[in-house]
Amino acid sequence: EADIYQTPRYLVIGTGKKITLECSQTMGHDKMYWYQQDPGMELHLIHYSYGVNSTEKGDLSSESTVSRIRTEHFPLTLESARPSHTSQYLCASSRQQSPLHFGNGTRLTVT
Amino acid sequence: QKEVEQNSGPLSVPEGAIASLNCTYSDRGSQSFFWYRQYSGKSPELIMSIYSNGDKEDGRFTAQLNKASQYVSLLIRDSQPSDSATYLCAVNQGSSNTGKLIFGQGTTLQVKP
Repeated sequence: EADIYQTPRYLVIGTGKKITLECSQTMGHDKMYWYQQDPGMELHLIHYSYGVNSTEKGDLSSESTVSRIRTEHFPLTLESARPSHTSQYLCASSRQQSPLHFGNGTRLTVT
Repeated sequence: QKEVEQNSGPLSVPEGAIASLNCTYSDRGSQSFFWYRQYSGKSPELIMSIYSNGDKEDGRFTAQLNKASQYVSLLIRDSQPSDSATYLCAVNQGSSNTGKLIFGQGTTLQVKP
């Protein structure tokens, strides 16, 4: 059963549009993460959060931004989508040193 | 050198055989190690976690950790076609309490009936 939810599951959008990828978790986890994964490639951390009002950039530079106003919600925003943003975006959460739990992902295609 | 390295494969084994997947990491301060399974087009799902040297068994899966040699492995006994997937090794980033994981590129396993 999914305790971490991502919407939309698939998104095809034109260049220049603003998009927000939603991620919510019901497990009360304090830490949340966004990973980016291209087909056949490894996951790269692009954003993470330790808690409300705490966000940091990850190891892979990204033009996206995130916010953490509520513990359960960690949306990712792209102000102006470009074809180079086409990828799969995976949201995850964890408590302290526990393993990450992943959502189902959002597959983004920018035309 | 990548922080977490895996052979991308594909590793092909016959049904019923033992599949052995290996991973090396560079950060000696890492304390937590995980194996995830990822089917094509799906998100990763946790199979095993291991935190201390030695073996840890869970059903058909055994994780092995050797911190001195900086490697972690996953053995899958009695491999089934449904085990065909990409297996990701993940290591926590240093001894800090960030919870951030560094992932290897994954090993693709093919189990042939």
